[in-house]
Amino acid sequence: DAKTTQPTSMDCAEGRAANLPCNHSTISGNEYVYWYRQIHSQGPQYIIHGLKNNETNEMASLIITEDRKSSTLILPHATLRDTAVYYCIVYVNTDKLIFGTGTRLQVFP
Amino acid sequence: EAGVAQSPRYKIIEKRQSVAFWCNPISGHATLYWYQQILGQGPKLLIQFQNNGVVDDSQLPKDRFSAERLKGVDSTLKIQPAKLEDSAVYLCASSRTTRTGSYYSPLHFGNGTRLTVT
Repeated sequence: DAKTTQPTSMDCAEGRAANLPCNHSTISGNEYVYWYRQIHSQGPQYIIHGLKNNETNEMASLIITEDRKSSTLILPHATLRDTAVYYCIVYVNTDKLIFGTGTRLQVFP
Repeated sequence: EAGVAQSPRYKIIEKRQSVAFWCNPISGHATLYWYQQILGQGPKLLIQFQNNGVVDDSQLPKDRFSAERLKGVDSTLKIQPAKLEDSAVYLCASSRTTRTGSYYSPLHFGNGTRLTVT
């Protein structure tokens, strides 16, 4: 079972920031939050992970709330190539990377 | 670094036939995974190897699916005999290791083999 809740779909205009939320209320104190995305006809791609502090890399930023029960993945300037399914994943009581249904992000011109 | 390589990219077979998929992970990655992704769903883990040993195969339908990882590098996944419900994309992934403390190494995925069983 996936241990996260994400909206089924979201839209974003090209050039604008895409903010993808994720709820993970059962997360424990030392469990990381991971984000992957899957572009059509490709395998999933790792984006970013975080524990407590906000994280940023060349692909995205990750904002984790102080209580760690939710997080937001931010694509600061979305492009058409960012259209994909985005998965928020936590390893709760498992060593397996378990995918839920994710959020289908559609970036439009 | 070169990514995870999989072949073939597409395969069409009739039910009850057999099929095999091949995966070459990223060099130096100790852990290898096979996932099955049915259309419209997230990937589901079938089997996980650490070097050439099986760590988890609890979701592998062992009556028809088998997998091996020779010499801890390349891996093959076989289905014999195939059923209609095996139509899916089969994804291979690798990671440097599994876990260090509570941190799990990110998985690197190949682009998969799309299997159609008719």
